[in-house]
Formats: sequence, C-alpha cells, structure tokens
Amino acid sequence: QQPVQSPQAVILREGEDAVINCSSSKALYSVHWYRQKHGEAPVFLMILLKGGEQKGHDKISASFNEKKQQSSLYLTASQLSYSGTYFCGTDPSNQAGTALIFGKGTTLSVSS
Amino acid sequence: DTGVSQDPRHKITKRGQNVTFRCDPISEHNRLYWYRQTLGQGPEFLTYFQNEAQLEKSRLLSDRFSAERPKGSFSTLEIQRTEQGDSAMYLCASSLEVTRTDTQYFGPGTRLTVL
Repeated sequence: QQPVQSPQAVILREGEDAVINCSSSKALYSVHWYRQKHGEAPVFLMILLKGGEQKGHDKISASFNEKKQQSSLYLTASQLSYSGTYFCGTDPSNQAGTALIFGKGTTLSVSS
Repeated sequence: DTGVSQDPRHKITKRGQNVTFRCDPISEHNRLYWYRQTLGQGPEFLTYFQNEAQLEKSRLLSDRFSAERPKGSFSTLEIQRTEQGDSAMYLCASSLEVTRTDTQYFGPGTRLTVL
C-alpha cells in the first residue's frame, strides 16, 4: 500500500531540472508533497486532488494522473535550496480516515 | 502564527524506561497526528485525533504506546517499557479540518534513542 517513489536519488547542478514520481497500486483521493531537510520537519509543498489537476509553486509544479494513480513533481531551474528529501504522501480513496501513507522519499542534491 | 512545537527535541533513555513526548499544534487546528520516522524512510502514521477524540490508530501502535489529547489542544505520546526498536524520530502534525483534504503541518520532531 506504500507508494513507490522514483528515482531514489537525484544529483543536479544549479539550473538543471528534475522529475520525481510517486506511484500507488491503490486508487487515490489525493497526493501530498513534502520536502524535508536533514534534521528538520517535513515542509508542505502542495496537494493534488484526483481529477488530474496540475499545480505550480514558483518553479516547482506537480501533476496527478488519476488513470495511472501516479503523481509527478517537477523542479525546474533547480536552486541550492531545493536540496533535501522529497516525500509523497498518499490518501487512498477507500480509506475513511485522513492519515497519509508516505513513500520512502527521493533525495535531491543540488550543487553549484 | 507559530507552528507546531514538540518537546523535548531529543530524548535518550535506557531500555525498559517510560518516556512521554508533548506536541502543541497550531492554534485553532482541530486535527492532530502522530507519525514515526526511521532513517531512510518516510513518516509512518501512528494515530490521529479530531479535537479530543482519538479516531484512528495504526497497527504499529502497540499496547506500550498511548496517546492523549485531553482538551483538544496539546497532545502527549507515551511509550512504556521502551525497546531499542522504538528508536526513531516522532513527528507531530496538525491540520484544520475544512474538507477531507486538509494540509498537515509538521513539527520539528522528538528524536528518541533507546540504549
């Protein structure tokens, strides 16, 4: 039931782009994206609802493909501050509660 | 508007001891969640409250774990007879219920080390 994130790790130079994927075997109601830096709390980035919407936040955007039950996070023109571990948290449609099921994370390292 | 706070930030204890952690959510947030995170993993859900009612508990929450939110504000998570396998980061998150899809805001966590 845990979503699968890919790739596990990404190494970029400043200005390069990256895509992080999150796939679930369960039908999803929503996907939540967080970034966590070492020793810090996960920081909320955005929520995607079923319906295939796409959202943007500065140079970070995301999409949700309901047919594939997959969400992708797009980071364009990466900055040093983008470094960290990115987690997707999923809310399965058949779940009555609101607890999120998180993937194992994708570690992004951006160097100058 | 202050964020979610947790206390203590670090706890080192000996196996068999009891520990208690506190979480203060963002004011006005009626939902409060506890998660556990180990190295290289995403947060794993433990339990959640809506106001003072504990509505859901994970299978991960053994009998040694208990959580309370007595007045619908702060929450405590107690672990009795700690084991080395309990070593982890314990994260608290809060949200304001508007629809099913509310944003959970995380606190800095309490890192527990069981010797």
